[in-house]
Amino acid sequence: AQTIHQWPVAEIKAVGSPLSLGCTIKGKSSPNLYWYWQATGGTLQQLFYSITVGQVESVVQLNLSASRPKDDQFILSTEKLLLSHSGFYLCAWSLRGNSGNTLYFGEGSRLIVV
Amino acid sequence: TQTVSQSDAHVTVFEGDSVELRCNYSYGGSIYLSWYIQHHGRGLQFLLKYYSGNPVVQGVNGFEAEFSKSDSSFHLRKASVHWSDSAVYFCAVSANSAGNKLTFGIGTRVLVRP
Repeated sequence: AQTIHQWPVAEIKAVGSPLSLGCTIKGKSSPNLYWYWQATGGTLQQLFYSITVGQVESVVQLNLSASRPKDDQFILSTEKLLLSHSGFYLCAWSLRGNSGNTLYFGEGSRLIVV
Repeated sequence: TQTVSQSDAHVTVFEGDSVELRCNYSYGGSIYLSWYIQHHGRGLQFLLKYYSGNPVVQGVNGFEAEFSKSDSSFHLRKASVHWSDSAVYFCAVSANSAGNKLTFGIGTRVLVRP
């Protein structure tokens, strides 16, 4: 069975500090990977997606970057946090190719920037 | 560009009642439609999807949705809700089979009262 794990579960960080959020998928090779951001009580905004190792497409510019250093790992980061980065970050995967848009989400990482 | 609207921000029902959550979309071509559920503080879980064929699709936990091309709708229904159905429900649309262009609605928060 496939599992998706996100870390950390929650963080409180200061404005201007760096951030790194991680996501690991086990049990599925070569998945498509996605990062979403959700404001409190809001909808989901897609940030990045990746179809293969080393390749990441940006959907929305929010002073964040993403990398896929391994087939099963997706990292979201920034060198300087803004207050507007607060929210819930969700990693997701889907099957490569004609998946019909079924996404499988992790449990999320909650970020509070103070 | 595809758009999706969920007209009800909040819905309150009693346990055992039926519920219908509305989703309307805008797009000129073939479209993939799906519903996801998000319990408080958790990641999203896939409920069901439609692309073609029978316009009524069955999902997990007794949920079903009906596609209507004439109404540009994909409403979600459940005949008898349980307290555990309290959650936020997101409708999502995509113009392609890959998940990189998935657009989510603002969500409908459902509260099931005992």
